Amino acid sequence: AQTVTQSQPEMSVQEAETVTLSCTYDTSESDYYLFWYKQPPSRQMILVIRQEAYKQQNATENRFSVNFQKAAKSFSLKISDSQLGDAAMYFCAYDPNRDDKIIFGKGTRLHILP
Amino acid sequence: NAGVTQTPKFRILKIGQSMTLQCTQDMNHNYMYWYRQDPGMGLKLIYYSVGAGITDKGEVPNGYNVSRSTTEDFPLRLELAAPSQTSVYFCASSNQGQAGNTIYFGEGSWLTVV
Repeated sequence: AQTVTQSQPEMSVQEAETVTLSCTYDTSESDYYLFWYKQPPSRQMILVIRQEAYKQQNATENRFSVNFQKAAKSFSLKISDSQLGDAAMYFCAYDPNRDDKIIFGKGTRLHILP
Repeated sequence: NAGVTQTPKFRILKIGQSMTLQCTQDMNHNYMYWYRQDPGMGLKLIYYSVGAGITDKGEVPNGYNVSRSTTEDFPLRLELAAPSQTSVYFCASSNQGQAGNTIYFGEGSWLTVV
């Protein structure tokens, strides 16, 4: 069965510093999608970044980038130049891209220290 | 473009009452999901649907029912509300199996059972 593991329940980072959130997953598939979602205190779910497994190049969105290691089944999120507005719960998600449900990790709560 | 729309946004129920959370999407997505999120916790899948006429249980289906009579609508029914069902409920949809798929979330429905 596919699983998604976020091993860091909480993390803290100083404003303007860089932080990396970990995500590992288990699958026997070769074609799938991976996502990072941000959930601020408003509880809105915001797509941060998306990676297609068949693409070797790591996805990047402004200050957010991923380190996608397909063989290791690892999908970490790097936030550069952390800002107070980055404080949120971050969820990693796996989409099998076939007739099966999307799986979310349990989340990592990120605190930004001023 | 409305995306995923949930109603109501807030609701207080008395123990034993029933209600339906409405969810509709205008993106012609095949997959739809209902999650609940307890305070400080991650997302728990209640039910999901891979298309009109098809529904499947998630990890916490007890006390809930769903239907998917159309592609657009995926209502969640709470029967005999209990305090344990106090939570924030999220509806989501996805165009899985199609190029460029992404999960879209509604804004959440805050439910309190007293």
